[in-house]
Amino acid sequence: GAGVSQSPSNKVTEKGKDVELRCDPISGHTALYWYRQSLGQGLEFLIYFQGNSAPDKSGLPSDRFSAERTGGSVSTLTIQRTQQEDSAVYLCASSLSWGGRGNGYTFGSGTRLTVV
Amino acid sequence: DQQVKQNSPSLSVQEGRISILNCDYTNSMFDFFLWYKKYPAEGPTFLISISSIKDKNEDGRFTVFLNKSAKHLSLHIVPSQPGDSAVYFCAASGGYGGSQGNLIFGKGTKLSVKP
Repeated sequence: GAGVSQSPSNKVTEKGKDVELRCDPISGHTALYWYRQSLGQGLEFLIYFQGNSAPDKSGLPSDRFSAERTGGSVSTLTIQRTQQEDSAVYLCASSLSWGGRGNGYTFGSGTRLTVV
Repeated sequence: DQQVKQNSPSLSVQEGRISILNCDYTNSMFDFFLWYKKYPAEGPTFLISISSIKDKNEDGRFTVFLNKSAKHLSLHIVPSQPGDSAVYFCAASGGYGGSQGNLIFGKGTKLSVKP
């Protein structure tokens, strides 16, 4: 597609439920990144993919968070047993090559997750 | 421990004047720096970047200055326009190995340009 597409744009869920967030990167972009922005905070790195593999999972806050990418394209971020502190905007980005040199990453509009 | 710091959460300037947004970093391995601009309900968009081999990069009204010895960079917008009102994020990257290749972001500075 022309840009990075994320769905849903907004998600309200009850504490303890599982949620799945989807990211469709720019066609041909091999690198894909997940960040989140909590209220009043900067962009917190979660995980990145080079192709279908995730060499760096160091940013995932807990084992309730997982992500996968299939076919070198779409990625899903899954949060199990959601907690209120998971409420944030989850941003996906992609880049032609890993590291984002040059023009950096192209971000999607994000998914605003609210856990009630 | 924050590796990229934007110590001013907000900045207000008059239209036509210069806006100066500041960013400090602590990791000496960082060698590539970017500025992103973010409007509400949208993802950040790339604005301008600079490699550590340079000390200045200019693109139209936007100029980024890098002071490696001070581990400091700044974004100058001149003249500022109301449409520049947004949150500006500084980001840094270092090397191609491991997590240092990923972009590390500051907390952002909200710029308001008043007509």
